[in-house]
This record gives sequence, C-alpha cells and structure tokens, in this order.
Amino acid sequence: GENVEQHPSTLSVQEGDSAVIKCTYSDSASNYFPWYKQELGKRPQLIIDIRSNVGEKKDQRIAVTLNKTAKHFSLHITETQPEDSAVYFCAASRGGSYIPTFGRGTSLIVHP
Amino acid sequence: NAGVTQTPKFQVLKTGQSMTLQCAQDMNHEYMSWYRQDPGMGLRLIHYSVGAGITDQGEVPNGYNVSRSTTEDFPLRLLSAAPSQTSVYFCASRVTGVDGYTFGSGTRLTVV
Repeated sequence: GENVEQHPSTLSVQEGDSAVIKCTYSDSASNYFPWYKQELGKRPQLIIDIRSNVGEKKDQRIAVTLNKTAKHFSLHITETQPEDSAVYFCAASRGGSYIPTFGRGTSLIVHP
Repeated sequence: NAGVTQTPKFQVLKTGQSMTLQCAQDMNHEYMSWYRQDPGMGLRLIHYSVGAGITDQGEVPNGYNVSRSTTEDFPLRLLSAAPSQTSVYFCASRVTGVDGYTFGSGTRLTVV
C-alpha cells in the first residue's frame, strides 16, 4: 500500500517568514495530493490540492509543488501570520474510489 | 446542509464497555471513512465505505465494526473498549468526482 512520510514534525517560524513542509510517497500510481489544515481542537479542512498532471498550484499565500519523478510534494506558505499556526497534513491517493493515506502531520508555529 | 455530523463530542468509557459513535452526512456522499487521530501518528484509517452496503477495513480495524445501511449514516462500533482505543475519532465523507474529504467535528473518547 501507499506510505506517506512528512517532514518536519514541528516547524517554528517568525511572522512574515516562509514555511515549507515536505512529503514523500511510495506508490507511483498515486495521482491526487491534498493538504489539510487542522487548528487546535478543530477538524481537518482541505486547503489546497494538486493532481499529478500539474507541477505547481497557488492560492494566495499558499502553494503546492509536485515532483512525480522523485515522488515528493511540498506545501509552501509565504508571509506567514499567527493564524497560520496549526497542524498540516499531507495525503496521497490514486483518486477515484481509492482512500487517501495521510502523513503524520507538521505542527507549524508562527511567532508574532 | 449540516455537512458531516458526529455524536457524541466527548465520551468516557470503562474498559470492556461497548458503544457506537454516530456519523451522518446530508450531502449524498458515496464515500465515508472513519479515522483515529493520536499524537504524532497522524490520521489512521479504521474502516471505510464506498456506498450503502459496502464496507472495508483500513489500517487499524481491530476492535471496531462498521455498517452502512443507508447513504447518510456510517456508525462505528467499539465492541469491547480498551485503553488503547483512547483517541480522537473523525468521520469523513466525499462524493464521486471530488477527491477532497469533508470531516466531522470529531469525538474525543477516553477509555479508563
């Protein structure tokens, strides 16, 4: 089955800095890569996703890149703000009826 | 739409007791899944369903049962609670053609 590794487990940055979270996956057939944000005590929420036919996708201050050859994808957050503090999960799946496999999460702390 | 509704929000059980965690969605989603979230372990799949009458095991199914008699409901049953089942449980659903999950608000379960 799919195996998703996520690094780092904790990331601490100053407000205004950029943050990068990296994930690798094992199943070359995976073609859908979502990212979820989970604020303290809340449910995970989808913030951005990318499919294997696209190398990069942006949405305001967040972007995701995908390298299919190396089987890794990354979440980039620019101009971080305190409200970006949360746990971020990456996931990978084959899409369709397949169930995604999640990484273990990254706790992002943005210091004012 | 209420989205994905989970009940109860909090529960304390004694070892050996049984209980059912409820999950209901009103979005006519075919796919529903149960995850448990433990510190440092990410979201681990317990059971999932791709439609009414169809269920399958995930990564950590032992000690749990599910059924899917209707599209809307996907209850998770703990047969004989153990302290190792202390966790936060999330139900999630999605519709065919849309790969991102909608999560419920979670159930925090403590087994003493």
